[in-house]
Amino acid sequence: AQSVTQPDIHITVSEGASLELRCNYSYGATPYLFWYVQSPGQGLQLLLKYFSGDTLVQGIKGFEAEFKRSQSSFNLRKPSVHWSDAAEYFCAVRGSSASKIIFGSGTRLSIRP
Amino acid sequence: EAGVVQSPRYKIIEKKQPVAFWCNPISGHNTLYWYRQNLGQGPELLIRYENEEAVDDSQLPKDRFSAERLKGVDSTLKIQPAELGDSAVYLCASSNRDGAEQYFGPGTRLTVT
Repeated sequence: AQSVTQPDIHITVSEGASLELRCNYSYGATPYLFWYVQSPGQGLQLLLKYFSGDTLVQGIKGFEAEFKRSQSSFNLRKPSVHWSDAAEYFCAVRGSSASKIIFGSGTRLSIRP
Repeated sequence: EAGVVQSPRYKIIEKKQPVAFWCNPISGHNTLYWYRQNLGQGPELLIRYENEEAVDDSQLPKDRFSAERLKGVDSTLKIQPAELGDSAVYLCASSNRDGAEQYFGPGTRLTVT
């Protein structure tokens, strides 16, 4: 069955520190992978996506993610977080021939001043 | 270009009452999705439309939920009667035909008392 696991429910990092949010997926076919961010009271905004090619993908707001097929992972990283990065982050997966996206349960990011 | 528009943004109703949510997708997007997001969880697909046709409604509780997308543009999601467990954020998203990237609206936060 298709699934996405985000093992960290809540993470707190200091402003200016580096960030890594973990995501593991289970999908039988070639996956398309996404990271979305959701600020309080807002919809989801796409940060980045991986379809094929270079396994290190760059996104908006200085985020990047690396696809590791051997580990079934797609971790999100940022070298230096800003207070405005505080939000909920969702990893998601879909098949290359399917439209249905499966979301993880999210990781809430708090920023320590 | 306008994004996905949803209304109302917030709705509080008593149980057993009906409620309806409206969504206007991005112009030109043929595919429209309705998701439900429970507190602390990722969005879960309720129904997907390709133009006017509901192509995936397997997760829609059909005893109380209904949806329509007349003329293949705007869509309405209805709950009748609402139950306490329906309290959630209802998100609408749209994409172009291949569905690779979905754009989300701000959502409607429903509280059933």
